[in-house]
Amino acid sequence: KQEVTQIPAALSVPEGENLVLNCSFTDSAIYNLQWFRQDPGKGLTSLLLIQSSQREQTSGRLNASLDKSSGRSTLYIAASQPGDSATYLCAALLMDSNYQLIWGAGTKLIIKP
Amino acid sequence: DVKVTQSSRYLVKRTGEKVFLECVQDMDHENMFWYRQDPGLGLRLIYFSYDVKMKEKGDIPEGYSVSREKKERFSLILESASTNQTSMYLCASSLYRNTGELFFGEGSRLTVL
Repeated sequence: KQEVTQIPAALSVPEGENLVLNCSFTDSAIYNLQWFRQDPGKGLTSLLLIQSSQREQTSGRLNASLDKSSGRSTLYIAASQPGDSATYLCAALLMDSNYQLIWGAGTKLIIKP
Repeated sequence: DVKVTQSSRYLVKRTGEKVFLECVQDMDHENMFWYRQDPGLGLRLIYFSYDVKMKEKGDIPEGYSVSREKKERFSLILESASTNQTSMYLCASSLYRNTGELFFGEGSRLTVL
């Protein structure tokens, strides 16, 4: 069964720390992987999309990497701020999934002032 | 910027009522999706559409139908709402099936009494 796993489920860190969120997927045959942010009661905001041919993508303080061989992606957040508090979800578009995204359950991140 | 607009942020309906959830995107995207999101169950795909008048079932289509008469609009219909359809409904769109970034609307919180 194709699965995407996010560890940890929740994370609380002091403001200013650099942190890493993890996403693992069961199949290395992947089209792309996308990271999203979700604030309580809101929709999902796309943060970064990494295509299969790419190793990483950067946007501001965010950097996402993709390692197909190990089935892992990481989202690195530099110099965390209280405004970064949200749930972060990753979703993988695997080649054997009929073009349907496989979703992780998310990591709930709290940045303490 | 891509904008995906869901017509209602909050709805309260009674059991047995017919419910329409509307979604419009402004970037000429081919692909549109309806998900529901429930605590502990994550995002689950209800229906999706790769073209006008085309629709395909997702993981949980029972109790729902969809309509895509125009490229920019994708409607989710609950023919006879039930309490177990109380949920957050999220619409999304993307340009390409296998490489496209997914963009979400703000979500529609439906409560069925």
